[in-house]
Amino acid sequence: EIVLTQSPGTLSLSPGERATLSCRASQTVSSRYSVWFYLAWYQQKPGQAPRLLIYGASSRAPGIPARFSGSGSGTDFTLTISRLESEDFAVYYCHQYGPSPPWTFGQGTKVEVK
Amino acid sequence: QVQLVQSGSELKMAGASVRVSCKASGYIFTSYRMNWVRQAPGQGLEWMGWINTNTGDPTYAEGFTGRFVFSLDTSVDTAYLQINGLQTEDSAKYYCARATREGDFDNWGQGTQVTVS
Repeated sequence: EIVLTQSPGTLSLSPGERATLSCRASQTVSSRYSVWFYLAWYQQKPGQAPRLLIYGASSRAPGIPARFSGSGSGTDFTLTISRLESEDFAVYYCHQYGPSPPWTFGQGTKVEVK
Repeated sequence: QVQLVQSGSELKMAGASVRVSCKASGYIFTSYRMNWVRQAPGQGLEWMGWINTNTGDPTYAEGFTGRFVFSLDTSVDTAYLQINGLQTEDSAKYYCARATREGDFDNWGQGTQVTVS
C-alpha cells in the first residue's frame, strides 16, 4: 500500500498570501509505461463533500480557478494556492490512484486564517 | 450535469444493518467505476473500495471485507453500500465517488451520515 504523508498538518496564513502544501508518497505513483502521475488534490469545506481540484499531479479540474496549481513527480508533490481568497480556507487532501489498488489518501492539511 | 445523490442520514442500533444508496444521473452509469469513501468524525478520508459498474464485481480495501457489501441496480443507475453487523466505530459519513478513466474522483455524492448507538 502506498502511504501518503502530507505536511504541514495546519497552515496558518492570511488572505492574499501564498499557500504551499506538500504530499510525499512512500513509493512512486507514476505509471510504469508513461510519465503520467496518478496523484490528485481535493478541497473539503466543513459539512461538504470533497471537490476535485487537481488530477494527474498538475491538471486543473474543470471550473477550478487558476490560482490553484499542482506540481511534482515521482514521490513528491505540491499544491500551491498563489493568493489565498476567503473561500480557500479549508482542508486539502492528496490522493493516489495508481494502476493497482489499494488507493489511498493523505491525512490532510488544514489551511486556516492567521 | 453529473450528479450523485445519496440517501439520507441513518441512526441504527449496534448489530443492525444499513443500506446507503447513491443515485447517478447526467452520464452513462456503466461507463465509470464507483468508489466508496468513509470519513469518521473529525478524521480524514478513507478509501473503502470500488465496484465495477459493468460487471458488478466489487473490490474491497483491507479493513472493509466481510461486513461491507457493494452492489448495483443498473436499471435505476444506483450503487449501494450495505453494512452488516453495525458497530459503534462504523459511525461516520459515507461518500460515493465516481472515478474517471484515469482513476481520480471527479464527482462525489453529498455524503450519508450513519450513526450507530
